[in-house]
Amino acid sequence: EVQLLESGGGLIQPGGSLRLSCAASGFTFITYAMSWVRQAPGKGLEWVSATTGSGATTYYADSVKGRFTISRDNSKNTLYLQMNSLRAEDTAVYYCAKVRNDYTPDNWGQGTLVTVSS
Amino acid sequence: QPALTQPRSVAGSPGQSVTISCTGSRSDVGAYNYVSWYQQYPGKAPKLIIHDVIERPSGVPDRFSGSKSGNTASLTISGLQVEDEADYYCCAYGGRFPLVVFGGGTKVTVL
Repeated sequence: EVQLLESGGGLIQPGGSLRLSCAASGFTFITYAMSWVRQAPGKGLEWVSATTGSGATTYYADSVKGRFTISRDNSKNTLYLQMNSLRAEDTAVYYCAKVRNDYTPDNWGQGTLVTVSS
Repeated sequence: QPALTQPRSVAGSPGQSVTISCTGSRSDVGAYNYVSWYQQYPGKAPKLIIHDVIERPSGVPDRFSGSKSGNTASLTISGLQVEDEADYYCCAYGGRFPLVVFGGGTKVTVL
């Protein structure tokens, strides 16, 4: 059974940094691309970033490009999202997702809440 | 502004059918047969119910079906049940920039 467990969320001031982690199990981690998707309070889903199985190629939404960095440690079956220069509009539940060949998610974690506020 | 357009809400009585549309462009929905649909209950993570436009993952009831015509994909729930009351999101592969796009979500209400 695929399991994805996010951690690292919390309250952070505008301009601050935070690193999210996603521990994966139940599948061969290195063979799957992974993504981060977020959902602002009361709003819809927004794709944030993705990385290939090797981690060699990364993709970002325009809204986070240059501020967020996705990475993975395949020896630890863990996905990361380094978030810098955080803004109020980054406030959201961040979901880690295992993705299909077309990069659309098929399995989701339970999410971790990031609140950017002074 | 979400890249894919969905109606904000649809409603139906138990046993009826409802259809949710998802309109994109020639760069995403219209370009590839890579459209997924998700069901989300309040406070819960989304769940995949349709992938590759028409395919249902194991365990998803066959009252959920997907289709596509041109730049518009659709999700139909046949024989609506009380437990189908949830938010539904479409998602499509966008090529490279952006890689993936979501719809704004549709709230399904069972009357």
